[in-house]
Amino acid sequence: AQSVTQLGSHVSVSEGALVLLRCNYSSSVPPYLFWYVQYPNQGLQLLLKYTSAATLVKGINGFEAEFKKSETSFHLTKPSAHMSDAAEYFCAAQGGSEKLVFGKGTKLTVNP
Amino acid sequence: NAGVTQTPKFQVLKTGQSMTLQCAQDMNHEYMSWYRQDPGMGLRLIHYSVGAGITDQGEVPNGYNVSRSTTEDFPLRLLSAAPSQTSVYFCASSSSVRRDTQYFGPGTRLTVL
Repeated sequence: AQSVTQLGSHVSVSEGALVLLRCNYSSSVPPYLFWYVQYPNQGLQLLLKYTSAATLVKGINGFEAEFKKSETSFHLTKPSAHMSDAAEYFCAAQGGSEKLVFGKGTKLTVNP
Repeated sequence: NAGVTQTPKFQVLKTGQSMTLQCAQDMNHEYMSWYRQDPGMGLRLIHYSVGAGITDQGEVPNGYNVSRSTTEDFPLRLLSAAPSQTSVYFCASSSSVRRDTQYFGPGTRLTVL
């Protein structure tokens, strides 16, 4: 069965620092991969997705993620954190069906 | 398009009460699903449907029932609510043509006392 692992339930960075949120998936066949963001008391917003085209995917708000098949990873990065990036981030995978499997989430704190 | 709508936004129940969470979409999507979100657990799939009249269980189906009589609606029923069902519930839909794009509703926050 498909599974998604997010390393680090909490990540704290300083404003202006690099943001790196880690995600690994388990699948013999590369699935579709997604990053979602959730701001406090709000719903899910799609940041970006990988659907077997370019391995470096650019999303909204300056985020990007790189699909690495050899490492079964899809880490999310942003060169310079902003206070408004503070939120919870979820990595998700979609295999041969429409079902999404989510990681447990990483809460990002941005310190001034 | 209204997209995916969910009602109510908030609900408080007592243990043993029943209720239905409503989900509707106006995009003619074949696939609809229900997730629950709990702190530290991410989102977990409860039930899903690939079309009217077809439903199946997800990862955490116990205590929940669903039906899909129309393409637009996919209600989630709690027959006898338990405190363990306190959660935030999200409904999602997607088209079979663009299955890589799921649309999420705004969520229903349910508290069971």
